[in-house]
Amino acid sequence: GAGVSQSPSNKVTEKGKDVELRCDPISGHTALYWYRQSLGQGLEFLIYFQGNSAPDKSGLPSDRFSAERTGGSVSTLTIQRTQQEDSAVYLCASSPHINTGELFFGEGSRLTVL
Amino acid sequence: DQQVKQNSPSLSVQEGRISILNCDYTNSMFDYFLWYKKYPAEGPTFLISISSIKDKNEDGRFTVFLNKSAKHLSLHIVPSQPGDSAVYFCAASPNAGNMLTFGGGTRLMVKP
Repeated sequence: GAGVSQSPSNKVTEKGKDVELRCDPISGHTALYWYRQSLGQGLEFLIYFQGNSAPDKSGLPSDRFSAERTGGSVSTLTIQRTQQEDSAVYLCASSPHINTGELFFGEGSRLTVL
Repeated sequence: DQQVKQNSPSLSVQEGRISILNCDYTNSMFDYFLWYKKYPAEGPTFLISISSIKDKNEDGRFTVFLNKSAKHLSLHIVPSQPGDSAVYFCAASPNAGNMLTFGGGTRLMVKP
């Protein structure tokens, strides 16, 4: 489809393992965002990519979290040495360069850390 | 420090009545506000927005009101329909195009 695609949709992992979450933004969208939603909580900003500029990493909760965006398109969010508090739905969104503030979200990747 | 707050975690209304969802913010630099709707197992979808130069924006059954002096905005849905049942998030940014700060969401239940 033409929307934001995220994979995997569900991931169950053991505490201490590393996980990678992938996001394919809408073609042509230059801005890409990662948010997460913990159970019963709102959307928490993690990281923002805009074109070739340095990413805004101010929302990453710890140095176990990192993200990259290759070729200005696909993004991967990596969580190292996962902890139970990392369990959440990780949402990716993209927006066009001329942004109205409207983000287009994927369906999210639900991460469960046992 | 929550810069965008939705103090009502849930709201229940009867079909056909008005739904009013509220949102408060603390950052005076915010000048663009949006509402998103989220169904279970789906990503949030954009609903309506308002710039700080306006105090009202209307789109069909949905109207957003902004009171800058009170740092308060609200979303009115009238008439409410069962299909409106979802979680509604308000969001704010210091300028359109910058990253959004979201509130905690309000779960709306519209009863037939």
